[in-house]
Amino acid sequence: QQQVKQSPQSLIVQKGGIPIINCAYENTAFDYFPWYQQFPGKGPALLIAIRPDVSEKKEGRFTISFNKSAKQFSLHIMDSQPGDSATYFCAAKRSSNTGKLIFGQGTTLQVKP
Amino acid sequence: KAGVTQTPRYLIKTRGQQVTLSCSPISGHRSVSWYQQTPGQGLQFLFEYFSETQRNKGNFPGRFSGRQFSNSRSEMNVSTLELGDSALYLCASSSGQQMNTEAFFGQGTRLTVV
Repeated sequence: QQQVKQSPQSLIVQKGGIPIINCAYENTAFDYFPWYQQFPGKGPALLIAIRPDVSEKKEGRFTISFNKSAKQFSLHIMDSQPGDSATYFCAAKRSSNTGKLIFGQGTTLQVKP
Repeated sequence: KAGVTQTPRYLIKTRGQQVTLSCSPISGHRSVSWYQQTPGQGLQFLFEYFSETQRNKGNFPGRFSGRQFSNSRSEMNVSTLELGDSALYLCASSSGQQMNTEAFFGQGTRLTVV
């Protein structure tokens, strides 16, 4: 019940395409869902996060869609660029449980020029 | 504002030894969480410290321990190292307040056990 399942494992798109990464969770007590971007040799960097009271959130070219009834959320990257090539992780946590983030397995994205 | 600082960046240790990793959180943040990242298991939560007290613990053996000091800096210790402990160890800093939940990661310490 603590798992977060992420798909696909890897993704290749052309520049300008819209890669979509999906995550599903089981624990309905989760109420905070962040996405992290990680480049080789670096720590994960917080991209965008959403709470279950909204269905969509946009920050720049990054959009999270959230479906509470299906217990699923996804990341869309608009007008993707080669510089977006990285590994993306979804995560979930209970605010009342503070620091403990449960991560998906990650998606390696390659954006071809 | 300085980010999360982890030291050292790289470590090579021999099986059976012990190791201590350090994490300095963002100024004003009182919560430090530690994660282990491996290709096979991904990012796994080790433990969280808040105001010098362990607040959460993941499913790791007792060889993994930590502590937090009054200035919020945290250390993680792994005793009796095993080859499988080779990983990137990451710490995350957050305010620790329930509704302010953003967590920011350091660059990690790459531990290699030989």
